[in-house]
Amino acid sequence: GAVVSQHPSRVICKSGTSVKIECRSLDFQATTMFWYRQFPKQSLMLMATSNEGSKATYEQGVEKDKFLINHASLTLSTLTVTSAHPEDSSFYICSAQAGRTEAFFGQGTRLTVV
Amino acid sequence: KQEVTQIPAALSVPEGENLVLNCSFTDSAIYNLQWFRQDPGKGLTSLLLIQSSQREQTSGRLNASLDKSSGRSTLYIAASQPGDSATYLCAVMEYGNKLVFGAGTILRVKS
Repeated sequence: GAVVSQHPSRVICKSGTSVKIECRSLDFQATTMFWYRQFPKQSLMLMATSNEGSKATYEQGVEKDKFLINHASLTLSTLTVTSAHPEDSSFYICSAQAGRTEAFFGQGTRLTVV
Repeated sequence: KQEVTQIPAALSVPEGENLVLNCSFTDSAIYNLQWFRQDPGKGLTSLLLIQSSQREQTSGRLNASLDKSSGRSTLYIAASQPGDSATYLCAVMEYGNKLVFGAGTILRVKS
């Protein structure tokens, strides 16, 4: 299957700083990328949908000013957690699709805010 | 609102057993259904994709079926191995190309 690379896999940051997570589709052009958050022992919660060249669409309850999403090209989307706090500590996963096709996921990023 | 339910929540079987994981969804207006595997602390690995017009897909020891009208899918794993131990997630793709996930089935295959 197609490869989606997510970086970094693990990051620890201080409270109040910002963290950027990258999601790249390595061998296909992703018209849409999705960002999820996963709490321990729970399923994935969709945060936002990102289409190349347009603003991201956020799910209800997700603060768009806190979780900045940029989808500058068909192979790269970034999620920036701004002014991170301990409650933002979580596992973040991206996925990429070319239209209404199979979804491929990144390896995930474990964010710990201390 | 689409809801996806997976049964059982957890399953423990001895090595070599055949097993079935179940997934049900409330709205049959889906484009496709995917089964994923997730290992602890990792991302998701796509196992099988069934388009809404298809009835089943097979890959190696895995077979997934889809009955769209009744809102059900099953994932059949033949001759289970300890390496199959993981969380299995099913997800349906609906309008907007979004995936709606079930809570997952935690599988443990004992050697």
